[in-house]
Amino acid sequence: SAVISQKPSRDICQRGTSLTIQCQVDSQVTMMFWYRQQPGQSLTLIATANQGSEATYESGFVIDKFPISRPNLTFSTLTVSNMSPEDSSIYLCSVHRSRTDTQYFGPGTRLTVL
Amino acid sequence: AQSVTQPDIHITVSEGASLELRCNYSYGATPYLFWYVQSPGQGLQLLLKYFSGDTLVQGIKGFEAEFKRSQSSFNLRKPSVHWSDAAEYFCAVGSYNTDKLIFGTGTRLQVFP
Repeated sequence: SAVISQKPSRDICQRGTSLTIQCQVDSQVTMMFWYRQQPGQSLTLIATANQGSEATYESGFVIDKFPISRPNLTFSTLTVSNMSPEDSSIYLCSVHRSRTDTQYFGPGTRLTVL
Repeated sequence: AQSVTQPDIHITVSEGASLELRCNYSYGATPYLFWYVQSPGQGLQLLLKYFSGDTLVQGIKGFEAEFKRSQSSFNLRKPSVHWSDAAEYFCAVGSYNTDKLIFGTGTRLQVFP
């Protein structure tokens, strides 16, 4: 498995501001992922972040709104920019373990935008 | 199109009763199948997974799931539910060495004492 931490665990933000979410893994991983879980909904993949390359975004998500950094093999950040109430969600990072071909998830960041 | 369907949005069972959560998938490649559980305010925890071999897989917390290719299903079961099993359960599908998982919409399990 993997030990994954996220900061902050929750936040309440004002419309128009930005929030950066951090994801830290206890060991090196190649692939990290960012998901969004809107209230009462399932998980939707935002982007895949590989170290040393630009993140790959899924349809409906753009870099200007959700810039991602991946400075090393244990860390990534997701920024939610120019927030609106529609961005209120849980944001989760996950990592893919090649040895088990399985994704493991962090505890999530619960974001509320007023 | 690739998709995962969890037909039951909400299930309520009594503690000690048996449980079956349904999952059907549509996937072009050989599927890798997963069940995750999300307790209130928590992230997702992997319960079990199926890649190949024995179609009945055992997971943590006494859960098991059976892969039925002919029915495109991967239902989750537990013979006796505990109150602590109350949570949201997600079925997901991927493929070998893929970076993408497709999730179902989830089933919320409520357990009455």
